[in-house]
Amino acid sequence: DTEVTQTPKHLVMGMTNKKSLKCEQHMGHRAMYWYKQKAKKPPELMFVYSYEKLSINESVPSRFSPECPNSSLLNLHLHALQPEDSALYLCASSRTYRGSKNIQYFGAGTRLSVL
Amino acid sequence: AQTVTQSQPEMSVQEAETVTLSCTYDTSESDYYLFWYKQPPSRQMILVIRQEAYKQQNATENRFSVNFQKAAKSFSLKISDSQLGDAAMYFCAYGGERKSSGDKLTFGTGTRLAVRP
Repeated sequence: DTEVTQTPKHLVMGMTNKKSLKCEQHMGHRAMYWYKQKAKKPPELMFVYSYEKLSINESVPSRFSPECPNSSLLNLHLHALQPEDSALYLCASSRTYRGSKNIQYFGAGTRLSVL
Repeated sequence: AQTVTQSQPEMSVQEAETVTLSCTYDTSESDYYLFWYKQPPSRQMILVIRQEAYKQQNATENRFSVNFQKAAKSFSLKISDSQLGDAAMYFCAYGGERKSSGDKLTFGTGTRLAVRP
């Protein structure tokens, strides 16, 4: 099973709303990632969690708040977003974050629209 | 910093024909990983093939193969017997040094492949 599950598939929110994106994997992976992808662009890394600890934050605005409650679950909490934050948000996981040989497995993403 | 360049924004191939997607990259490392990912309209990024730079042999996965030219820093993807389901955006990615304590994927800008029936 190489499945990474993301919910919801689509999300529309106002600039004053608070919402959360959820990502789940049951492959025993200990590294999990959040990416942001704008239309016709490659994914841009936002955060990396390794063994449930935040390892990388790519200077992401504080209105995005990641959380890794356990090794299988990754959340992205959203608050006071701007219209330019509208994008596809992809979650990925890999066996570990040590060693670049580890393949990242991606979810199908959440399409976020901020009104 | 590593960079990955895909010079073909769009490509088109007739069903059952062969197509090659180009990718070049820049790195000062000698032992690293390269990947091709496919993103169909369903949005999910799917690994197509992985190449380990220390291996001379080009990676192959069924109808997908790479032409890895380490000295030229070139990593092209060949799709044989193209099928309608191959239509997608293809991203070349540099995966970092093999012995790294942690590395990020550096993606190219992508090539959109259309398959004509």
